[in-house]
Amino acid sequence: AQSVAQPEDQVNVAEGNPLTVKCTYSVSGNPYLFWYVQYPNRGLQFLLKYITGDNLVKGSYGFEAEFNKSQTSFHLKKPSALVSDSALYFCAVRDGAGGFKTIFGAGTRLFVKA
Amino acid sequence: NAGVMQNPRHLVRRRGQEARLRCSPMKGHSHVYWYRQLPEEGLKFMVYLQKENIIDESGMPKERFSAEFPKEGPSILRIQQVVRGDSAAYFCASSDTEAFFGQGTRLTVV
Repeated sequence: AQSVAQPEDQVNVAEGNPLTVKCTYSVSGNPYLFWYVQYPNRGLQFLLKYITGDNLVKGSYGFEAEFNKSQTSFHLKKPSALVSDSALYFCAVRDGAGGFKTIFGAGTRLFVKA
Repeated sequence: NAGVMQNPRHLVRRRGQEARLRCSPMKGHSHVYWYRQLPEEGLKFMVYLQKENIIDESGMPKERFSAEFPKEGPSILRIQQVVRGDSAAYFCASSDTEAFFGQGTRLTVV
């Protein structure tokens, strides 16, 4: 069975500084990995995905994530944080060999201070 | 191409009533998922459906909750005899590779 862990409930960063939101996963087959962002009282918006290919994937709003197979991680990164990046971020995984069921992490709340 | 459409956006029910939440997937998507999000918490998987089939309902409470995705029409999440603990945001998603989410239905049980 697949699972996702986001070890940090909250991440605080100053505007202009780099940010990292951590995610580790467990699947039996090849992982399909995703990041989503949720703003208050809204649904989830897709940011980026890793299916295959380059380990560094680039997504919306300047975000990127690095797939690390040996560490089973898929950390979300951005070189320079904006106050408007403050939101709830979810990592998700799907077993590429096992259908379409997508499992989400518990979420990490990002606060960017001006 | 319209996104995933959920309605109603907000639903208020008294304890003991039934709640029906509707979800129309993106055009061309035949996989639908329902998730529940309690206040200040993450997403909990409830059920995964394809047209006319429930594929995985491992996250559904054993009683009062049911879901369907008929050949024609939207997917329906039905909660019978609602209780205050059912108050949450219910999100529907449909997928090809990545999942696309609706705006959610916020259920309040009073």
